[in-house]
Amino acid sequence: EDKVVQSPLSLVVHEGDTVTLNCSYEVTNFRSLLWYKQEKKAPTFLFMLTSSGIEKKSGRLSSILDKKELSSILNITATQTGDSAIYLCALAWQTGANNLFFGTGTRLTVIP
Amino acid sequence: DVKVTQSSRYLVKRTGEKVFLECVQDMDHENMFWYRQDPGLGLRLIYFSYDVKMKEKGDIPEGYSVSREKKERFSLILESASTNQTSMYLCASSFGGGVKQYFGPGTRLTVL
Repeated sequence: EDKVVQSPLSLVVHEGDTVTLNCSYEVTNFRSLLWYKQEKKAPTFLFMLTSSGIEKKSGRLSSILDKKELSSILNITATQTGDSAIYLCALAWQTGANNLFFGTGTRLTVIP
Repeated sequence: DVKVTQSSRYLVKRTGEKVFLECVQDMDHENMFWYRQDPGLGLRLIYFSYDVKMKEKGDIPEGYSVSREKKERFSLILESASTNQTSMYLCASSFGGGVKQYFGPGTRLTVL
């Protein structure tokens, strides 16, 4: 049973569009939720969110956690071809080892 | 900057061969992880280690073993490679109490 579900699975947009990627989860006892961007190689860290609900921003990217909806969104405004990547969402559990449980990812393609 | 390196970017092996995948990190991280990434399945945790000579099974340990003789190095071993182990293998590391993981570039393994 999937604990972290990302939607959509894939998305194709034109440069300049705004996109919203979704990450839904089924558990409440987690420490934080992380977003990563994966181009052709290593996933690179984007944001870490906690249940405080504070929005995180970095340039054209922003993300927020919605405790009530058990979900997080990643927004990208004014998309560029360099935003083409797989976007991964992961949960870090509250207790135990410092493992991350990843969703399946959303493949974003930005066409000129 | 944290650097996580993996011994090979691409590897082709034959069924039944013993395969070693090496991962080295340069930030004195306590935790190290091995994942495999397959289309539609996301990143799945194979094994992790939170200290030298310590190892814990992840979600899909069958057919794999690991070794951590030194803090900076974590090896994934396929004792007898099979075609269903064809995949992208990602190594990651993190600080002892931290959840943010730093990833290596990945090894794309093909088993013929």
